[in-house]
Amino acid sequence: SQQGEEDPQALSIQEGENATMNCSYKTSINNLQWYRQNSGRGLVHLILIRSNEREKHSGRLRVTLDTSKKSSSLLITASRAADTASYFCATASGAGSYQLTFGKGTKLSVIP
Amino acid sequence: EAGVAQSPRYKIIEKRQSVAFWCNPISGHATLYWYQQILGQGPKLLIQFQNNGVVDDSQLPKDRFSAERLKGVDSTLKIQPAKLEDSAVYLCASSEGYLSGNTIYFGEGSWLTVV
Repeated sequence: SQQGEEDPQALSIQEGENATMNCSYKTSINNLQWYRQNSGRGLVHLILIRSNEREKHSGRLRVTLDTSKKSSSLLITASRAADTASYFCATASGAGSYQLTFGKGTKLSVIP
Repeated sequence: EAGVAQSPRYKIIEKRQSVAFWCNPISGHATLYWYQQILGQGPKLLIQFQNNGVVDDSQLPKDRFSAERLKGVDSTLKIQPAKLEDSAVYLCASSEGYLSGNTIYFGEGSWLTVV
């Protein structure tokens, strides 16, 4: 079953604007990760945020995590046409084997 | 550093035929995963190996899917017989270990179309 649910399902913005994608999940987690997938390609790891962290930055990416609301957001600042892709949040949970449960993704289109 | 390698990249087969996908993880990565991604959805875990042992195969349709990782390195995922609903991208991934916090790296995927 898919734990994470991204919102919105699709997002279209102009180049230079900021893009915000949200992810909600249902059960407690060890960490939450964001991945990017270009059309026809594999998944690329963007950023990992642990359950005891609230915010993390990587270049133009900013991720927040609110464990009380079981939600996370991914902000891409100053978007570029090359950011056009699908973005997935994935949660890691459980004390035993480590595996990721993915949401359905947000399809981002950045218009030049 | 070489990434996760998968082959073939694309495969078209008729229903009831069989197909096999191969994966070579990043060197030194003990944990290997196979995910299935149906168009428009997120990836779903099929099976997870730790070295050559199976950690989790609870979502693997065992009546038609099988996977092995005999020497703890390469892995093969087989589907026999294939159904139309097996049309998907099969993603192989690997990580250094099974502990939470390890980054999981994905290959480019093997695209399967069953007609």
